[in-house]
Formats: sequence, C-alpha cells, structure tokens
Amino acid sequence: GAVVSQHPSWVICKSGTSVKIECRSLDFQATTMFWYRQFPKQSLMLMATSNEGSKATYEQGVEKDKFLINHASLTLSTLTVTSAHPEDSSFYICSASGRGPVNQPQHFGDGTRLSIL
Amino acid sequence: ILNVEQSPQSLHVQEGDSTNFTCSFPSSNFYALHWYRWETAKSPEALFVMTLNGDEKKKGRISATLNTKEGYSYLYIKGSQPEDSATYLCAFRNSGGYQKVTFGIGTKLQVIP
Repeated sequence: GAVVSQHPSWVICKSGTSVKIECRSLDFQATTMFWYRQFPKQSLMLMATSNEGSKATYEQGVEKDKFLINHASLTLSTLTVTSAHPEDSSFYICSASGRGPVNQPQHFGDGTRLSIL
Repeated sequence: ILNVEQSPQSLHVQEGDSTNFTCSFPSSNFYALHWYRWETAKSPEALFVMTLNGDEKKKGRISATLNTKEGYSYLYIKGSQPEDSATYLCAFRNSGGYQKVTFGIGTKLQVIP
C-alpha cells in the first residue's frame, strides 16, 4: 500500500517552456504533499508543502511564481515549472502523507529528471 | 537552515560484512528522526521512524539507534547482501513553531558479491 506515482520520469525541453509534473497517491488520501528538488551531490531540498485545498507553503528562496503548485484533490498534486531555464535543470521528487500522526513517514514518487536546453 | 549530516557519503563492503553509518542532527528541538532506503531508479522507502532518546528499531538485518541528547543516529546492517546496495537517507523533523523535515545527503552503500 501507500503508492505514489509521479510523471513524467524524464523531461527534456527548450528554455522558456513550462513543464508540469504530476504526483498521484494511488491507494490513499494524501492530505499533505511535499515537493523536493535535488541538485547533483546535494541532499533533497524541500521546495514547498501543500495541503489539499489550500495554498502551498514555499520554503525560503523558492519563487512561488516560478514553481506553481496545485493540490486540488486528495490524490493529485502538480508542480509546474514556468518558463524553465537551464538553471532549473534538476531532479524533482514528490512525497505524500495521509491522515495520521505528524511523524508518519512520507511516501515518495520515483522522481522526475528535468533537463532544460 | 538545519544541519543534518551523514557519514560516510559512500561505502563499499564485501558481501557478508556488517557495516554501520551515522546521521548527526541538531540536539535541540528534536521531534523525530526518519531513515529511508533509496535504491537506484526506485522511490525512497521508509525504514524507521524514531522518536525517543535511546530508541532502537530493527527490521530483519537492519537496525538503528537514536541519541537525541548528543544528536546522532546509527544505522547498522548485519551480514550485508548485494540487495542492500542503496542510498540510505536520514531525515530530521524539528519541533517548534515551523516544523519541517530536513534530509541528509545520504550514505551510498555498495555491497560487493
């Protein structure tokens, strides 16, 4: 149980394109979803936290107009990288948690490798 | 920025050897410490959630200990097998007004047959 599906797994696109990444919880209701970014040889860095039906809370230094997060249902959150540039090239991964104790583990997607040319 | 460090960053061991690695985190405002196992081309998988000082958790050949007063956790693997090859991540959840989970960079373990 507790499966999270993330698509696409790999994207290459031109500079200036907007890219949407989807994160779905397949067998549980994801009340909270998290979006992380990982640059080479660095740790997973939290970008934002979203609760279903609410606006996302962005971490310091993450541009909310650049990285649009929508969490309109209990099973789907999307991250849109708007007008992507080469410096946005990175590995993006989502995770989700359901109702329960706040220290429950997160369930991760497989990640999306984004390359902007 | 919370400092969560893992050492070593990479490790090669022979099949059958036991091994351990460390996660260090702030000793104040502790809420929970998570361990995850991340195999290549897969998603991170939760191993343990540890909340109390002195906690010891075990899952098969893998176990973990927690010292919140000095800010460290050890992960042990007994009799390493090739299928244990993965990156092991720890994640620190702080208490207080704004809670978040901060990940370490991970320890990449390669078990050589």
